Amino acid sequence: GAVVSQHPSWVICKSGTSVKIECRSLDFQATTMFWYRQFPKQSLMLMATSNEGSKATYEQGVEKDKFLINHASLTLSTLTVTSAHPEDSSFYICSARDDRGWTEAFFGQGTRLTVV
Amino acid sequence: AQSVAQPEDQVNVAEGNPLTVKCTYSVSGNPYLFWYVQYPNRGLQFLLKYITGDNLVKGSYGFEAEFNKSQTSFHLKKPSALVSDSALYFCAVREDDYKLSFGAGTTVTVRA
Repeated sequence: GAVVSQHPSWVICKSGTSVKIECRSLDFQATTMFWYRQFPKQSLMLMATSNEGSKATYEQGVEKDKFLINHASLTLSTLTVTSAHPEDSSFYICSARDDRGWTEAFFGQGTRLTVV
Repeated sequence: AQSVAQPEDQVNVAEGNPLTVKCTYSVSGNPYLFWYVQYPNRGLQFLLKYITGDNLVKGSYGFEAEFNKSQTSFHLKKPSALVSDSALYFCAVREDDYKLSFGAGTTVTVRA
């Protein structure tokens, strides 16, 4: 299967600062990537769909100015949590759709964000 | 909207016994169904999928799942569970544009 790398694996930041999370497809091109948020022992909630070369599509209730998504190349999407607050602490996971037509999505290893 | 439901929060089995994790789905049209496994503080690993064809799907690590259209179910099974199978399991259905809707997840604990 295809490999998706997410960086960093964990990050601790102070309230009010911004944090950038990277999602890379290592051995395939991904026009479309997805960002999810997961609370402890809960399911994954889709935040947004990231499209290379165009604006991301956000799910209802997700603040686009809070969670900035940039998909500048076919192998990289970034999620920036701006002016982070403790309630933004969570596990963030990205997934990518292989442009070659795989039917399943491939997931990064996730990023544990803690805002103090 | 398409959705999946996992009726059990937890499943506990003894090592060597059969393991079943339940999933039911609700879709309009043909379902694209998936099972993923998640270990603590890790991303999701793909186990298997049903797109079309045989109702019994075989996947990674000895897992299989049976698609049942009449019961709208896609239960995950393993004939003989291992302690290392202890993890969080998600059933998912693919919507348009490859978005996935996940079930709530089932925590599997396999005791030695």
